[in-house]
Amino acid sequence: KAGVTQTPRYLIKTRGQQVTLSCSPISGHRSVSWYQQTPGQGLQFLFEYFSETQRNKGNFPGRFSGRQFSNSRSEMNVSTLELGDSALYLCASSQGLAGAYEQYFGPGTRLTVT
Amino acid sequence: DQQVKQNSPSLSVQEGRISILNCDYTNSMFDYFLWYKKYPAEGPTFLISISSIKDKNEDGRFTVFLNKSAKHLSLHIVPSQPGDSAVYFCAATSFSGGYQKVTFGIGTKLQVIP
Repeated sequence: KAGVTQTPRYLIKTRGQQVTLSCSPISGHRSVSWYQQTPGQGLQFLFEYFSETQRNKGNFPGRFSGRQFSNSRSEMNVSTLELGDSALYLCASSQGLAGAYEQYFGPGTRLTVT
Repeated sequence: DQQVKQNSPSLSVQEGRISILNCDYTNSMFDYFLWYKKYPAEGPTFLISISSIKDKNEDGRFTVFLNKSAKHLSLHIVPSQPGDSAVYFCAATSFSGGYQKVTFGIGTKLQVIP
């Protein structure tokens, strides 16, 4: 079975721009969760999508948004980028909602904001 | 407010010896605990888990211990191997606001010295 894939792997943007990251879950998985990883904060939960609906949301500003398509692929969008948004963005898929099922992570997208 | 705390940012252990990674939590509603391992340039991968109704779970060289009264869990790796060198994340799940939620610690970097 193919694993979770994320595109692009690396991205450099400037402040004020917006960015869209993509995640393709493992086939058959219906839940996709997004996390931000920074050295001092570890893995911070952004949101979770299940069957095209946002089911859970972390404590991030509204500049961070996402969506899920009918094939379970998910995108995350960050508008008006700030320097502090530089991080590794990870997505994880699971068969069901993340808290009840084991999550499988993609390799991440490294976003650098200059 | 870090509900899952990994107070040691790094740990060095000699090959063949025991590695002990610690995790403390503050939320008594956590009902399931997981450990993930992360190599550079890869996403975290699930390692081992434990339910809050147990105090020990073993899988090969990996054992997780849970002390509910102390709100503390630990991961033991015996014997440690150079391939175990990675960042280890502790995670906990709880039912909150109608959803199961996963909370991660900031990680501990383990270095196993040959």
